Amino acid sequence: DPKIIQKPKYLVAVTGSEKILICEQYLGHNAMYWYRQSAKKPLEFMFSYSYQKLMDNQTASSRFQPQSSKKNHLDLQITALKPDDSATYFCASSHPDTYNNQAPLFGEGTRLSVL
Amino acid sequence: QQQVRQSPQSLTVWEGETAILNCSYENSAFDYFPWYQQFPGEGPALLISILSVSDKKEDGRFTIFFNKREKKLSLHIADSQPGDSATYFCAASASSGSWQLIFGSGTQLTVMP
Repeated sequence: DPKIIQKPKYLVAVTGSEKILICEQYLGHNAMYWYRQSAKKPLEFMFSYSYQKLMDNQTASSRFQPQSSKKNHLDLQITALKPDDSATYFCASSHPDTYNNQAPLFGEGTRLSVL
Repeated sequence: QQQVRQSPQSLTVWEGETAILNCSYENSAFDYFPWYQQFPGEGPALLISILSVSDKKEDGRFTIFFNKREKKLSLHIADSQPGDSATYFCAASASSGSWQLIFGSGTQLTVMP
């Protein structure tokens, strides 16, 4: 059974609309992340949360807002969608510190297409 | 400016051969290097990782060789199998910060039977 669940797996949206990507993990991790993978770029780090607090934000646009309602949830709200937002969005999780050197584990992704 | 580079972009080997995937980086602060394997339609799966204090890490058929002076590392896949056909990503992180992984563009490996 997948330990990091992302919903939906596929998502089609209209330009200008708003969508929420869901992520929940059952690994007992306290740190969660969002990464984006688009056709012409490497996997890009977007956000990191530790104990439900924002630690790092590498997303220039405020249209992307992570939301953590529970410690094992980290949803991603995207507003005013643009065609350039089309990508696969991956949620990941890990223990919060890097001391134990266990790299993040990734979910299956949500494939977003903006028309 | 891409901080982590991978080569080749694609690689084809025959079953049983050793596949060698290369990675280089620029930031001297990077000290932890995980490799991920990704199959089409799936998320990246952690394969093997190495700390910069080591020059070699083995896990079954997978071995990382690390050269800190040259800022280079390579993933060797021994006895390649068709099931190893996937895209392999080298990533880097600085342990002083959060888990912000910087990924390379990937090497698409095809193992011919």
